[in-house]
Amino acid sequence: QSALTQPRSVSGSPGQSVTISCTGTSSDVGGYNYVSWYQQHPGKAPKLMIYDVSKRPSGVPDRFSGSKSGNTASLTISGLQAEDEADYYCCSYAGSYIVVFGGGTKLTVL
Amino acid sequence: QVQLVESGGGVVQPGGSLRLSCAASGFTFSSYGMHWVRQAPGKGLEWVAFIRYDGSNKYYADSVKGRFTISRDNSKNTLYLQMNSLRAEDTAVYYCAKEVMVATIDYWGQGTLVTVSS
Repeated sequence: QSALTQPRSVSGSPGQSVTISCTGTSSDVGGYNYVSWYQQHPGKAPKLMIYDVSKRPSGVPDRFSGSKSGNTASLTISGLQAEDEADYYCCSYAGSYIVVFGGGTKLTVL
Repeated sequence: QVQLVESGGGVVQPGGSLRLSCAASGFTFSSYGMHWVRQAPGKGLEWVAFIRYDGSNKYYADSVKGRFTISRDNSKNTLYLQMNSLRAEDTAVYYCAKEVMVATIDYWGQGTLVTVSS
């Protein structure tokens, strides 16, 4: 049950695109299409942004997209906006009802 | 609307016990699996435990296995986390969370802070 690996921080200017990676193993990210992404603003509960690798819940802007290749999943945010500045966490199913989160990435909008 | 309201957090000495509760409303509680997820101060999210919709199966992170017990009372729409043999590293905000599909959480509570300190 090791945490998934995410970059500690990423940054971009308004209007630009950024991609956050999430690397696991064949026992979690690579083994299942159950990768989700959560956005967390300071002092708030996380919010679901992407599920099943690339699906968006209703209400989440289409600026947010997800993908996966092998053992690495990615979250791309295009057309960066100031309100996108937050912490982002990936999450994957790891079999036997075990769930594993990434260490989190702080997104700074310059 | 869906509401998850945690309670029971507080300060406890190392080796002590605490029971967290999560009151659920706005959805059919007995139809959904539920998670506990924690977040140490300034740190990332850590999955703690999961219980199936009917309470038939329970799963735990290695870090809490044997010390924590997740349970639910579907007649009271309430989720619980019994925490025993608490350690300083268990200090965190504990979130109750509703699973919508496999390993996917669509609603979170506001969290309750547990501090393990002498």
